[in-house]
Amino acid sequence: QSALTQPRSVSGSPGQSVTIPCTGTSSDVGAYNYVSWYQQHPGKAPKLIIYEVTNRPSGVPDRFSGSKSGDTASLTISGLQAEDEAEYSCCSYAGGYTHVLFGGGTKLTVL
Amino acid sequence: QLHLQESGPGLVKPSETLSLTCTVSGDSIVSYYQWAWIRQPPGKGLEWIGCIDYAGTTYYNPSLQSPVTISVDLSRNQFSLKMRSVTAAETAVYYCARHLGSVAGGVDYWGQGARVIVSS
Repeated sequence: QSALTQPRSVSGSPGQSVTIPCTGTSSDVGAYNYVSWYQQHPGKAPKLIIYEVTNRPSGVPDRFSGSKSGDTASLTISGLQAEDEAEYSCCSYAGGYTHVLFGGGTKLTVL
Repeated sequence: QLHLQESGPGLVKPSETLSLTCTVSGDSIVSYYQWAWIRQPPGKGLEWIGCIDYAGTTYYNPSLQSPVTISVDLSRNQFSLKMRSVTAAETAVYYCARHLGSVAGGVDYWGQGARVIVSS
């Protein structure tokens, strides 16, 4: 099964909002409310910022929010800050054979 | 605070076996979580390899080219990855990690990553 589809890059200015889409299929994103999002700075391990589509772990600012419509999940970052510049990856449960799929990652540039 | 640490050779020859171990500290591996291996080839996205629970139940990515075995050692609070007959395509940073609850859950704890190069 193919990886989830994300744009290679997005950009925004400080204070603005950006949305990163993650497109799957009716067998993964569309079938389960088990979409998670990760923030990864260069040379560092990924950090969980959204789980089960909309939930934020403790300590993650509420500027980060998640949603889903059909086969596409989205991560929205509002009030962009310089430290938000990073790679963002989505992940979805895909059922009992494939199990887990990641997206290819999106590089966010804060202008 | 949970801490995961990968260890193993950083260089593996083609056709040989890649072996990594993850040592878990700060909590027992005997818990309601799945313990996972995830890799990231240079300049590419994350790829889930598989996971195991404390009872030894495993789940693997069916699209992997090289045969994979994940095992658990409760006495050492460790779990391990073996990937056989590797090729250059297995060159990546390998992370050990923990799923939130079941394999369907997000990954809430990650090791720092172990860089493995497959080359003769």
